[in-house]
Amino acid sequence: NAGVTQTPKFQVLKTGQSMTLQCAQDMNHNSMYWYRQDPGMGLRLIYYSASEGTTDKGEVPNGYNVSRLNKREFSLRLESAAPSQTSVYFCASSHTSALTKNIQYFGAGTRLSVL
Amino acid sequence: AQSVTQPDIHITVSEGASLELRCNYSYGATPYLFWYVQSPGQGLQLLLKYFSGDTLVQGIKGFEAEFKRSQSSFNLRKPSVHWSDAAEYFCAVGTITGGGNKLTFGTGTQLKVEL
Repeated sequence: NAGVTQTPKFQVLKTGQSMTLQCAQDMNHNSMYWYRQDPGMGLRLIYYSASEGTTDKGEVPNGYNVSRLNKREFSLRLESAAPSQTSVYFCASSHTSALTKNIQYFGAGTRLSVL
Repeated sequence: AQSVTQPDIHITVSEGASLELRCNYSYGATPYLFWYVQSPGQGLQLLLKYFSGDTLVQGIKGFEAEFKRSQSSFNLRKPSVHWSDAAEYFCAVGTITGGGNKLTFGTGTQLKVEL
């Protein structure tokens, strides 16, 4: 019963390097989300995908790109990493309906350091 | 736009004591409200939710929360805290819009339990 799986769990990058954070869910959810968590700031939405084939910007999208590869997978890409992108990244998914009201389920997170 | 305020950054309680974590929200329509808990190094786990109906909702691990529309609050309570409750707690308000379904999180309250 995996739920939401994120890879990798930890990553260290040098400034200017690129990388892709992977997220997959096995709950047949239609919506997926990427957040970043910084001390004292809670979780802030980077991008989300309301359904397969659609993506939209959240609160802090600058410096990131996303791809909704299929219904299960939603990746987050940093094209040129900056120290300000040092954070913990969480992927979440939900089945949005009048009944579930967007209850989101979270992965365990990816801890990223940019030097 | 919606917002969530958790006024207490840190709270320390003794094991066996009662607990109340405060949450105030701002949202123009009927809110969907959530409390999540994050243990160290882990993702977020849903504790409880309020959609409609009875304003006192029960969750997992013995937690409850009360929705008070007149005060725009959704405070989390537990009658007797256990050492394993030490974690960070996030309140969130959910919205369902034409473009998608989002959660807005508060900045979190870190709970420490003294033995």
